[in-house]
Amino acid sequence: DGGITQSPKYLFRKEGQNVTLSCEQNLNHDAMYWYRQDPGQGLRLIYYSQIVNDFQKGDIAEGYSVSREKKESFPLTVTSAQKNPTAFYLCASRVPGGELFFGEGSRLTVL
Amino acid sequence: SQKIEQNSEALNIQEGKTATLTCNYTNYSPAYLQWYRQDPGRGPVFLLLIRENEKEKRKERLKVTFDTTLKQSLFHITASQPADSATYLCALEITGGGNKLTFGTGTQLKVEL
Repeated sequence: DGGITQSPKYLFRKEGQNVTLSCEQNLNHDAMYWYRQDPGQGLRLIYYSQIVNDFQKGDIAEGYSVSREKKESFPLTVTSAQKNPTAFYLCASRVPGGELFFGEGSRLTVL
Repeated sequence: SQKIEQNSEALNIQEGKTATLTCNYTNYSPAYLQWYRQDPGRGPVFLLLIRENEKEKRKERLKVTFDTTLKQSLFHITASQPADSATYLCALEITGGGNKLTFGTGTQLKVEL
């Protein structure tokens, strides 16, 4: 079935460690997005990419990095520079002007 | 600054009634407004999209209105059911905004028997 696959679903990190969240889509969408969700704060945009080998910072990009080497893949790295990384991370894709298709999310907890 | 506001308090209604959720925005010129449903621990699911030149959109028991003068969208669920209980998010795409959607904080709806 077509859709967005995020992994892992749950991830635990020690302070000072970098972690990478995976996002894969088989919808043939050019645009992909990463959002962060904290309780009571809705979804905040971290990074987005409109085409392979190109990406832009969203509203809260500090402490995060991304790559877009393939159309299907848009991994997010949470670096040690992110001071409060515990959150629910959502990846999405779409065609321009269309609706977002979301994955099931990855919940990151810092120990 | 740009803001998208949704009722932060949960909305509790009785089964069979119409639920009305509000999305207000400031300092935006939206091209599109979208509504999503999110269940706990899951990714949001798209419900409806309405364009700036449209006043109303319907889909089954759902209706969305868009008033660019008031800078407000209303989302209605008629004949509500307990299965409609979820958090509902509105999202704006700004004209010339670089192909990105900005979300409100969401409103939690609880439909009681």
